[in-house]
Amino acid sequence: EVQLVQSGAEVKRPGESLKISCRGSGYSFDSYWIAWVRQMPGKGLELVGIVYPDDSDSRYSPSFQSRVTMSADKSINTAYLQWTNLEASDSAMFYCAKLADPGMIAAGTYFQYWGQGTLVTVSS
Amino acid sequence: DIQMTQSPSSLSASVGDRVTITCRSSQNIDTYLNWYQQKPGKAPKVLISGASSLQGGVPSRFSGSGSGTEFTLTISSLQPEDVATYYCQQSYINLGTFGQGTKVEIK
Repeated sequence: EVQLVQSGAEVKRPGESLKISCRGSGYSFDSYWIAWVRQMPGKGLELVGIVYPDDSDSRYSPSFQSRVTMSADKSINTAYLQWTNLEASDSAMFYCAKLADPGMIAAGTYFQYWGQGTLVTVSS
Repeated sequence: DIQMTQSPSSLSASVGDRVTITCRSSQNIDTYLNWYQQKPGKAPKVLISGASSLQGGVPSRFSGSGSGTEFTLTISSLQPEDVATYYCQQSYINLGTFGQGTKVEIK
């Protein structure tokens, strides 16, 4: 059974750093891109970017390019999303999701399995 | 960038009603269109990929159609467990973008 299990909720102060995680199981973790998706309170879904666990190749949506860093450690089947200087506007639910197709990013792929989400709250 | 626009933003219908949600893209995306369902407090779940391919385990009352720039998600007979927000997502270029969502409630 494919599963993505995310780290727990976080409460941080503005300016602090944070790294959240997404551990995959039940499939070849290093062969499928992992996406990170943001959902701000009461709002819709926004794609942060995708990371390829085999080599940590990362592609960012323009709005997030300078705000976050994605990485992965294939030895422990885990992908990460991190911030170095949190702002209140970073408060949101973050989901990881596994793309449906292995290897290269293909038109027509979709987010096949999702983690349970990690709630990030940034407040002074 | 490709913009995805859903309509309506929300709807209220009775159990057993036929419900249709429309998604329009700002440019031709062939049939590279996916639909997701997000129930309150839960992670999204893929319902349909490639505009019309129903994912395994998804009830047959859900169907998708369309190509090019206009797509529809239809629930043939609305059930209480279908209360959720539905999102379309294009997977044609640039990692994909989501529509703003359509909230479906029971009247």
